[in-house]
Amino acid sequence: GQQLNQSPQSMFIQEGEDVSMNCTSSSIFNTWLWYKQDPGEGPVLLIALYKAGELTSNGRLTAQFGITRKDSFLNISASIPSDVGIYFCAGAKYNNNDMRFGAGTRLTVKP
Amino acid sequence: DAGVIQSPRHEVTEMGQEVTLRCKPISGHDYLFWYRQTMMRGLELLIYFNNNVPIDDSGMPEDRFSAKMPNASFSTLKIQPSEPRDSAVYFCASSRTGLRQPQHFGDGTRLSIL
Repeated sequence: GQQLNQSPQSMFIQEGEDVSMNCTSSSIFNTWLWYKQDPGEGPVLLIALYKAGELTSNGRLTAQFGITRKDSFLNISASIPSDVGIYFCAGAKYNNNDMRFGAGTRLTVKP
Repeated sequence: DAGVIQSPRHEVTEMGQEVTLRCKPISGHDYLFWYRQTMMRGLELLIYFNNNVPIDDSGMPEDRFSAKMPNASFSTLKIQPSEPRDSAVYFCASSRTGLRQPQHFGDGTRLSIL
């Protein structure tokens, strides 16, 4: 099905740098979720957002639910090698019958 | 608490064969999801169940794919007959109360159709 627009597709950064990625959509979502996928494993939830404007942190990770409800971003501060993986955003709607994933951002961290 | 359990982890078979993927969701989770992941198409939702009842199967690619959930602790995704383009990683996930809640994913089944 139709996916969210997630960018960038990939990032190559140096250890210690900050990272920012985002997801946008042409339609409104009521929930934004951010997942991380390590090689050979399934995605694991990082942060869940349920209100427009909400800013939530999980350690070095911070995510925000855009005011327009059509976007969300994820920031990682002071990256470390174990941050390597694919990060996915997912949006869901109130009617509970529409949920979709972004194409993912592949993050590489050079020590 | 055991997570979502999928089997097998890897499957290699020849085209035309029937393939059955299995999933055991987390106990107490009412929703179960099947996804397919490929480099070209990313993570696609194929079908999901609520209380063992299929709710939305619009993501199932074609009639060769079928999914069942005979009880709250077991689901299968079947492909018959399989084709090389079905090669992908198939994930099962479960959640407590629906699409807006975080989903817990299994480690996936890597399927290769020769």
